[in-house]
Amino acid sequence: ETGVTQSPTHLIKTRGQQVTLRCSSQSGHNTVSWYQQALGQGPQFIFQYYREEENGRGNFPPRFSGLQFPNYSSELNVNALELDDSALYLCASSLDELAADTQYFGPGTRLTVL
Amino acid sequence: DAKTTQPPSMDCAEGRAANLPCNHSTISGNEYVYWYRQIHSQGPQYIIHGLKNNETNEMASLIITEDRKSSTLILPHATLRDTAVYYCIVRVADTGKLIFGQGTTLQVKP
Repeated sequence: ETGVTQSPTHLIKTRGQQVTLRCSSQSGHNTVSWYQQALGQGPQFIFQYYREEENGRGNFPPRFSGLQFPNYSSELNVNALELDDSALYLCASSLDELAADTQYFGPGTRLTVL
Repeated sequence: DAKTTQPPSMDCAEGRAANLPCNHSTISGNEYVYWYRQIHSQGPQYIIHGLKNNETNEMASLIITEDRKSSTLILPHATLRDTAVYYCIVRVADTGKLIFGQGTTLQVKP
């Protein structure tokens, strides 16, 4: 157990809708990273937040956005859902600003877009 | 960003050592090599990481070549529960960004 939790476990949406996924980091972990994992692929980095500010972003469009809160929780929001957004979404938390130490992953949220 | 190359699959007999290779020929001097594994679409589990020196912990050993262009993860006594996808990852310097490849599916057989 990593102490990182995610909700919901599974989610089904239709194309064009918006979705919010939630992550609760380990207590004291100020950095959270989000990854998208398509079926049969490795996780792809979406973005990273440190103390409520985005401090790194992968090759994802602006309709992917995030929030981080002082209570070690965070959200991933995706607008205008597309079929290709169907994936396992993972969050990972770590202690320091650059996530230079070990990142601990949650169990993920499986999103299906119909 | 440095990328990694791993064999897509490997088999190992239960109780034997599993040696998983990884190539990272474009790695920079300050980029770490991390290994994670993922069991049946659960979240990736941290195994071990290193920069230059060989590392060992309760789960595995990591052997990094002197030129840092490749590494090997060693599970000394594989069990059926070690069946998983193993990812060799280079952590981009001065960021937390982990670049995952396709990974190696390790099948431990009785």
